[in-house]
Amino acid sequence: DTGVSQDPRHKITKRGQNVTFRCDPISEHNRLYWYRQTLGQGPEFLTYFQNEAQLEKSRLLSDRFSAERPKGSFSTLEIQRTEQGDSAMYLCASSLTDAYNEQFFGPGTRLTVL
Amino acid sequence: AQSVSQHNHHVILSEAASLELGCNYSYGGTVNLFWYVQYPGQHLQLLLKYFSGDPLVKGIKGFEAEFIKSKFSFNLRKPSVQWSDTAEYFCAVNPYGNNRLAFGKGNQVVVIP
Repeated sequence: DTGVSQDPRHKITKRGQNVTFRCDPISEHNRLYWYRQTLGQGPEFLTYFQNEAQLEKSRLLSDRFSAERPKGSFSTLEIQRTEQGDSAMYLCASSLTDAYNEQFFGPGTRLTVL
Repeated sequence: AQSVSQHNHHVILSEAASLELGCNYSYGGTVNLFWYVQYPGQHLQLLLKYFSGDPLVKGIKGFEAEFIKSKFSFNLRKPSVQWSDTAEYFCAVNPYGNNRLAFGKGNQVVVIP
């Protein structure tokens, strides 16, 4: 399968714990995006990378959230000191570097904070 | 505030009925437009897209969408739905020069056999 992959698919954690998610984009895609989706809502943009550079961050991305893409390939999203409000589906997407910005999504990581 | 609006969040219809889902956006200027579909238990998949040219675009599985610039709309249609079209449908807008997609809240469509 050459699509976007995410790991883990599900994560249950206790409030206050740190969690880290991984995303592997489509191999030839230079752009990588993180979105968050809560029940009854569409995905909301969190952050975006062009190769290894993090070029844009949403105000939704509080200082407890950090994302990296160290070698311009896979990316990690870490949430420190998780809160119940962080419970959501975290989606990763990737795209080519062009004007069309057609994004391909992974299956997501569902986070439940108890 | 700039936004993407999808109304009638829950739609229930019978097989062979026609489906139309509305999408309106408030971004000015040139935009790229998308409809994504999420089948039960699956991830978001691209249904169709509009970048430029013919405002009537055809996607997979018999879906089509029409871009009406004057109305800031990109409505999705299918003349005759099937049970397998049961899914959640999301409209997404990418303002030209911006790298993020802005999504609507989605339409949960249930097709009764």
